[in-house]
Order: sequence, then structure tokens, then C-alpha cells
Amino acid sequence: VQLVESGGGLVKPGGSLRLSCAASGFTFSSFNMNWVRQAPGEGLQWVSSISGGETFVYYADSVKGRFTVSRDNAKNSLYLQMDSLRAEDTAVYYCARDRSGGYPVFSDWGRGTLVTVSS
Amino acid sequence: IQMTQTPSTLSASVGDRVTITCRASQSINSWLAWYQQKPGEAPNLLIYKASRLESGVPSRFSGSGSETEFTLTISSLQPDDFALYFCQQYKTNPYTFGQGTKLEIK
Repeated sequence: VQLVESGGGLVKPGGSLRLSCAASGFTFSSFNMNWVRQAPGEGLQWVSSISGGETFVYYADSVKGRFTVSRDNAKNSLYLQMDSLRAEDTAVYYCARDRSGGYPVFSDWGRGTLVTVSS
Repeated sequence: IQMTQTPSTLSASVGDRVTITCRASQSINSWLAWYQQKPGEAPNLLIYKASRLESGVPSRFSGSGSETEFTLTISSLQPDDFALYFCQQYKTNPYTFGQGTKLEIK
């Protein structure tokens, strides 16, 4: 299993970024996928989940209405469109795969991509 | 659901037996996972469903508990175990993590 995030960077408050996660080594469409973030020196915060067939999507309250998760199973890719970014969104964003069985236990993680929101 | 870990920092020596506690603000049955995170790395799943050891994780790690109180025990600390540990509930969305326990060398 390999998960590789990209798309992070420095953005001004109110700006947008689109993160990507390229997956390999497993049948991507069979697994729920997630975004989890970690602010510098802080703990972990679940951000969003999307089912394998995109039947359901969930968001943390702190990002609802601003972030949109999506996936392209043909390209084995997961995305996070982040709009109206705030300073408190500054974090390393990890792409994580559910463990087999469909429960939101994160068995595989990418190395993360850093998003910095600052003027 | 709020998850509270204690202690925030734990100082121990190689060979020690250590226990980290995680309390949930309401019952989560056994829907609890534990992760280890080393500096500059992504978290690594250790335990799921409160007590089930993830494949490839050394048997010195064990988890127990149910409802609102859970523990992660390392039976004999190895140098590689000094890291951050997080619990996570997955009974209810939003899936929440504890604030973390830093296990440091005494």
C-alpha cells in the first residue's frame, strides 16, 4: 500500500488549495478514504471521509461548507478541495485508508503534505 | 465524543512496563484504536477494536477496556517505543482523537 499526497503549500487567508492523494498497491475503489490533519506541534484531527463508491461523505464541523472531498477511482486518486482557508487550517494533511472491514480505523497513511495559511 | 488521554507525558526506561489511559466522554463500546507516531512520520496503527493487535505490531503492545475507559500497555519498553501515542474513537462521526501521550526516556 502506498499513499502519496501532493498539493500543499503557502496560501493567503481566504484562498484555495486542492490536495491530491495518489494510491497504489490495493484495490482503491474497495476502500473508504480519509483526510486527517495535524497542526504544527498538535494532535490529530479527522477532517473528512468518503466511501469507496462515493455513496457517503462526511466532514468535521470545522471544515463543513469550505472543504470538499472527492475521488476518482479510475485514477486511484483522492482529493480535497479547500476553499475559504483560515489560519487555523494550517497543518500537515494526511491521506489515510480505512482498515479492511469498512470501519474508520486508519491502517495506512501517506507522509502528508503541509498547508500553511498566512498573509 | 471527547477523548482524554493521561498522562500527557510519561517518562520511563527501557524494560519498563507502561500504561496509557484513554477516557471517552460517553460509551464507545469497543470502537477504539491506538496509534504510535514518531517525529516527522505519519501515525502507525497499533490496536483496533480496543484490544486487537494490528498485523506486524510487536506483541509487547496490548490494549484493553470498553465503554468509556481504555488502556494501552507496553509490557517491556524498547528503544524504538519512545514516541507519541494517540487514541481514537470510531463509534460516532466526527471521529475524535485523544490529545496524545509523549513517551520519553527517563
